[in-house]
Amino acid sequence: EAGVAQSPRYKIIEKRQSVAFWCNPISGHATLYWYQQILGQGPKLLIQFQNNGVVDDSQLPKDRFSAERLKGVDSTLKIQPAKLEDSAVYLCASSYGQGAIRKAFFGQGTRLTVV
Amino acid sequence: AQKITQTQPGMFVQEKEAVTLDCTYDTSDPSYGLFWYKQPSSGEMIFLIYQGSYDQQNATEGRYSLNFQKARKSANLVISASQLGDSAMYFCAMREGRYDYKLSFGAGTTVTVRA
Repeated sequence: EAGVAQSPRYKIIEKRQSVAFWCNPISGHATLYWYQQILGQGPKLLIQFQNNGVVDDSQLPKDRFSAERLKGVDSTLKIQPAKLEDSAVYLCASSYGQGAIRKAFFGQGTRLTVV
Repeated sequence: AQKITQTQPGMFVQEKEAVTLDCTYDTSDPSYGLFWYKQPSSGEMIFLIYQGSYDQQNATEGRYSLNFQKARKSANLVISASQLGDSAMYFCAMREGRYDYKLSFGAGTTVTVRA
């Protein structure tokens, strides 16, 4: 079974530039998440999709961050304009709804450096 | 308030010995799930073990076991017979509610296994 795919793996941009990350979840997984992991901290949820609808975006800085999940499969996360404090690893994860565990499977992440 | 607290920022363990990683949690929901993930230097989050709030027995997965003390709200991870490949960051996470999927993570504990 293929895992969660993310690209790019690394990105360096200057502040005030824009950047986009892409995620392809595991086939059949209805739930998709974007997490932000700042160095030395645990991941923090930015947004959660169920199919192509947003379930929770309460932690998403909506003045600069946006995300979409077209057709309930792939997703993109965009930052515009980027700030220095956006430097972090952006993790995409997916899960399916069967069973109590609802384990999340994570991609390898995109490491963003804003200079 | 922090939902997940991991008080050990870093730990050293000798190869072949056991190590216990502490995790305490805070929730008022009677239905919740507790997870442990491993994050090696490559960045991906690897699922290790799960404990549901209604599970009567402590979860075990190979060399990993979860010491679940519900009254104390603790869910410590025990890694037995440590291997060099166990050197990584370890995160405790919680899912709250019967129908919610998102995870709240602790700050993590770095484990370094010495030969």
